[in-house]
Amino acid sequence: DTAVSQTPKYLVTQMGNDKSIKCEQNLGHDTMYWYKQDSKKFLKIMFSYNNKELIINETVPNRFSPKSPDKAHLNLHINSLELGDSAVYFCASSPRDRVKGIQYFGAGTRLSVL
Amino acid sequence: GQQLNQSPQSMFIQEGEDVSMNCTSSSIFNTWLWYKQDPGEGPVLLIALYKAGELTSNGRLTAQFGITRKDSFLNISASIPSDVGIYFCAGQLRSGGGADGLTFGKGTHLIIQP
Repeated sequence: DTAVSQTPKYLVTQMGNDKSIKCEQNLGHDTMYWYKQDSKKFLKIMFSYNNKELIINETVPNRFSPKSPDKAHLNLHINSLELGDSAVYFCASSPRDRVKGIQYFGAGTRLSVL
Repeated sequence: GQQLNQSPQSMFIQEGEDVSMNCTSSSIFNTWLWYKQDPGEGPVLLIALYKAGELTSNGRLTAQFGITRKDSFLNISASIPSDVGIYFCAGQLRSGGGADGLTFGKGTHLIIQP
């Protein structure tokens, strides 16, 4: 039933490892996003995809690579993890009239890099 | 880039009290939104505002889109324990370049004392 689902919910890993976070939405939305929330709860857009095409790529290290196999999925792959990558990562999606700003968020993936 | 200044940063109130929080921006937004985040969850949309001066209610919540399009406020009347959480304002620029990502304020932590 979950509209926007992310896996895993928790991810603990060592520096230098490569990891992926998966996101799926069953709302039929065309646009999906990745946000990063730091320890002070500040939320910042990372990427936006519309129908499998990249729209927004904010100033994010190229160790982060989003991949959208279809419009219902947007995965985030992170290479060579660093301590500063520890954060909560949220996936979101919005309907075709995305200019209305309504975005639906997943429950988040809590990444801890040791 | 745009910045949203949200205040207060935190509020300690008694159950039954009214709450007011606001957001100001250094630049104009075409859409203002208010989200709430519960612990361990993603943000959930409370109210969306699309026109300068617009006043919208959702139950005990009322929000307004400032006339200058650079500010918004959210009021909660007669607070109850389940209102506890972090409230975020968010703005969106509606541009042809597809700037669909939301710019978030830093959040207002609402704590209700018994």
